[in-house]
Amino acid sequence: AQKITQTQPGMFVQEKEAVTLDCTYDTSDPSYGLFWYKQPSSGEMIFLIYQGSYDQQNATEGRYSLNFQKARKSANLVISASQLGDSAMYFCAMRELRGGGADGLTFGKGTHLIIQP
Amino acid sequence: NAGVTQTPKFQVLKTGQSMTLQCAQDMNHEYMSWYRQDPGMGLRLIHYSVGAGITDQGEVPNGYNVSRSTTEDFPLRLLSAAPSQTSVYFCASSYDPGTSGSSVQETQYFGPGTRLLVL
Repeated sequence: AQKITQTQPGMFVQEKEAVTLDCTYDTSDPSYGLFWYKQPSSGEMIFLIYQGSYDQQNATEGRYSLNFQKARKSANLVISASQLGDSAMYFCAMRELRGGGADGLTFGKGTHLIIQP
Repeated sequence: NAGVTQTPKFQVLKTGQSMTLQCAQDMNHEYMSWYRQDPGMGLRLIHYSVGAGITDQGEVPNGYNVSRSTTEDFPLRLLSAAPSQTSVYFCASSYDPGTSGSSVQETQYFGPGTRLLVL
């Protein structure tokens, strides 16, 4: 079974609209971290936001927020007031902390977001 | 800080050749890792290291070798390149992961990637 599921292979959104990118995860580990990364066409992986499994509040970083619903095992990324520069691939990832987190990140297959003017 | 650096940016190999992908970080991170990215597959963990002298296998380790002699460097060796190893390779690092649940501890920072083509 996939540990990270991103159900939207691609999305088209009008500039200045808010965007929600879906991510669901599967783990039996009570301690884990959830991440979102952005990969523009230039190829680098850019860290956006982190949510710890014990965090009481949803994480926010500027225009990015993470809608964390622990019981539903979902960690959707919300981008407010989208900009043309937001066009990129977006990856949801999880790090299970059982065993010290040494097993690295498990990634979803990504969502290709295109912002239209 | 240069962050995580990788060389080369692009490489073409013939089947059977060997090569080393270099990775270095200047953030004093204990944890380093290698991922490969294939179309439609996301990133998959190849090998990782929790400190100098300690390495272990990830999800897709076959055909790759690593060593960690210093905190800063974590090279990835392709022993005998195969077309199936055509991919984009990313090195990443973080502080020592644990159970802190802290963004500072847990977040992995990625290098710019190496695009490898095996003919």
